[in-house]
Parts: sequence; C-alpha cells; structure tokens
Amino acid sequence: ETGVTQSPTHLIKTRGQQVTLRCSSQSGHNTVSWYQQALGQGPQFIFQYYREEENGRGNFPPRFSGLQFPNYSSELNVNALELDDSALYLCASKKDDRDGGYTFGSGTRLTVV
Amino acid sequence: SQQGEEDPQALSIQEGENATMNCSYKTSINNLQWYRQNSGRGLVHLILIRSNEREKHSGRLRVTLDTSKKSSSLLITASRAADTASYFCATQGNTPLVFGKGTRLSVIA
Repeated sequence: ETGVTQSPTHLIKTRGQQVTLRCSSQSGHNTVSWYQQALGQGPQFIFQYYREEENGRGNFPPRFSGLQFPNYSSELNVNALELDDSALYLCASKKDDRDGGYTFGSGTRLTVV
Repeated sequence: SQQGEEDPQALSIQEGENATMNCSYKTSINNLQWYRQNSGRGLVHLILIRSNEREKHSGRLRVTLDTSKKSSSLLITASRAADTASYFCATQGNTPLVFGKGTRLSVIA
C-alpha cells in the first residue's frame, strides 16, 4: 500500500533522553514532511524538506530537528524528550514541492515515560 | 494549530448507506485533500480537489468544495464495513498540509 517506510514502529524512551526516528521515502520523492499526531487528534505539521533543504516549519520548538539525505531517506531528531512528546510520528513524501497528495508511512509510536 | 474542522466528530451507519462528512477551514487554500486512517496507522490519500474545482469523483467517493463558504464535503456511497476508519481533511496553501481533527466513521455490517 505505501512506498514510505518508517522505523522503528514502536519506541519507549525516558524523559530527558534524545530520539532519532527514520523514514525511507519512495525513489524520486524530493519532498518529505514530518507530522506529530497525538491520540484522538489530527496530524500536526513539524517541518518539511525539499532536496535536503528545510522549506517549512510548524509551531514546534528547536529541540525538534531534521535531516534529509540524497538517497530519499530522512530523520526526525527530538532532544530533551518531554512526556507530551508521546505521539505517533508520521513521515510523508511526494515528488516535488508543488501542490499534490502525499504518501504517508505507517508511523512510529513514541512513548515517553 | 488546526486549520480544518470536520463535522461530525463521529458517525455510525449501516452497511450500504451513504456517509457524508463535512470540513470547514479558515484561510485561503490552493487545494483541499481527504485522507483515511485505519486504527492509528498511516494516512492514505483519497482525493485532492483544487481551489478552482467545485466537485470531484473517485469511485464511491464524491468531494465538493465551496471556497466562498470555506467548506468541503466527502460523500462515501454504498458504504462497506471496510470503510470503517477516521477521515481527515487537509488544506494546502502557502504551507504544507494542515489537518483537521477528523471524523471517526463506523460502518456496521
């Protein structure tokens, strides 16, 4: 169903720790976005990359950072984890930076204890 | 912040009936998209309607867009148990997708 792969699928971390979530997009998908989805809520936009440059950021603090690599993979890093960071983190990609539908991964469920 | 607001928050119907979900948004958009999410997994893109379009069809899905009212509706005809999921509208303007809180659809066999 999806050409976007996220790892790990589930993760438990302790408050104050750092975490790196990974995403592998479809070949040719130069745009990747990351979203945070709390339970019972819609996804909230964290940031977007196009050809390895950040070209959009939502209302998230600097401890949320990212990278996009030439091989269509990307990372979401979160430092100094807080309990409220517990959520489903979704990666989504598409071919270019113009309007269009995104292909989503199945997400990483992060629990901070 | 949420841009779109879906209505109703939850909907329960019998198999074979039609399901209608509505979405309202606040700012100008380039397009509006609908996504489906099964049990907290990834979202699946259903349909995209551009700001200069008023209606679009895809299989059993029909989407309308009224930019003067800043609203959209998603109609699923002849619903099936497999349609049970959460449905989100997402608007795209000068920023990437902004989602609403979703409508939880339950189709009872």
